[in-house]
Amino acid sequence: DTGVSQDPRHKITKRGQNVTFRCDPISEHNRLYWYRQTLGQGPEFLTYFQNEAQLEKSRLLSDRFSAERPKGSFSTLEIQRTEQGDSAMYLCASSPVAQPYEQYFGPGTRLTVT
Amino acid sequence: AQSVTQLGSHVSVSEGALVLLRCNYSSSVPPYLFWYVQYPNQGLQLLLKYTSAATLVKGINGFEAEFKKSETSFHLTKPSAHMSDAAEYFCAVSDGANAGKSTFGDGTTLTVKP
Repeated sequence: DTGVSQDPRHKITKRGQNVTFRCDPISEHNRLYWYRQTLGQGPEFLTYFQNEAQLEKSRLLSDRFSAERPKGSFSTLEIQRTEQGDSAMYLCASSPVAQPYEQYFGPGTRLTVT
Repeated sequence: AQSVTQLGSHVSVSEGALVLLRCNYSSSVPPYLFWYVQYPNQGLQLLLKYTSAATLVKGINGFEAEFKKSETSFHLTKPSAHMSDAAEYFCAVSDGANAGKSTFGDGTTLTVKP
């Protein structure tokens, strides 16, 4: 069990550029979650998948954000036309079939938009 | 709708003193409750969880929390603080066993003085 991994750990981009983050969940965890965390706040839910199906999206997830989990394994989160307000830590978590509420978090990807 | 309020964004204790971090929740259904710890530039680690069994739950690193339905509280305690406990702590709530997401509080930063 290698834990949840995220890549890259840090990303600096210029406003208007597109960025893509990757999350590899713990193997055999069927649920995968994306959260966003800004300085001084707790994580905010963005979206989650059960296997390859995206079951819920937050209203925080604007049209510029898209997430996929094509084969029910790793997931990608893409932000198009980045804005300075997108600067945050993007956290991924996964949970097992038997205990879907027990989420294991990755180290996060810190995005800085200049 | 669910929400979490963590009372006190910063708590400072001396090494060896009692740690008490406060969390109140709001939930329209019987909640599942969690405490997570986050060290700088890392993801969240689950400390303990309440899943409708025993109201006093024990977690890792000597932490415990008590679920009090009448007070809608889930405060985190540790009898004797250690320097390594210095971190940010998050309380979270989800709406039961099949929940797809958690709602987090804004966190409490714990400082431990020598």
